[in-house]
Amino acid sequence: GQQLNQSPQSMFIQEGEDVSMNCTSSSIFNTWLWYKQDPGEGPVLLIALYKAGELTSNGRLTAQFGITRKDSFLNISASIPSDVGIYFCAGFHITSGTYKYIFGTGTRLKVLA
Amino acid sequence: EAQVTQNPRYLITVTGKKLTVTCSQNMNHEYMSWYRQDPGLGLRQIYYSMNVEVTDKGDVPEGYKVSRKEKRNFPLILESPSPNQTSLYFCASRGPGGTEAFFGQGTRLTVV
Repeated sequence: GQQLNQSPQSMFIQEGEDVSMNCTSSSIFNTWLWYKQDPGEGPVLLIALYKAGELTSNGRLTAQFGITRKDSFLNISASIPSDVGIYFCAGFHITSGTYKYIFGTGTRLKVLA
Repeated sequence: EAQVTQNPRYLITVTGKKLTVTCSQNMNHEYMSWYRQDPGLGLRQIYYSMNVEVTDKGDVPEGYKVSRKEKRNFPLILESPSPNQTSLYFCASRGPGGTEAFFGQGTRLTVV
């Protein structure tokens, strides 16, 4: 099945640093979503983007829906230890009446205090 | 509290022994789906359901069945589990606007 290319796969950063991660696809999506997964838990929705070019913030998080509708990025500013976890992007589109969610492979973030 | 509840959280079983993982949501959502999560592969959709009695295959449906007899419940059935179905499984339901906002806490299945 199709998957999104998400990078980086993992990163170690110092507390207080800004973080950037992105997702790219060969397909166009109607919606881009960003999730965070803590150990032993299910993914939790962070930000949803609904139209090309949209830039949306949620606290220290900012995400953008790429103009081509084939990519998205997530920025975390001034990282803190509780930002540790796995971040997933997901694209949503409707094709031939079928609703499809495609997930990225995740970015594992570790914050060094 | 709005939630998606999966049971069991952990399960170890033997090859070929039928099992069911239950999923229930209390948000009156029409859309529900099942995913498996494997290292390096992220989340892959197994089956989804647009509404009661309406189900469809996702990307990796082989070896799985689902049913949707009521809006709130969407069980995942493994008729004859095999070791390659050892994985972490998530159920999810979709809120309005096309976002998949609510995931269950996951079921870690081991098939020996």
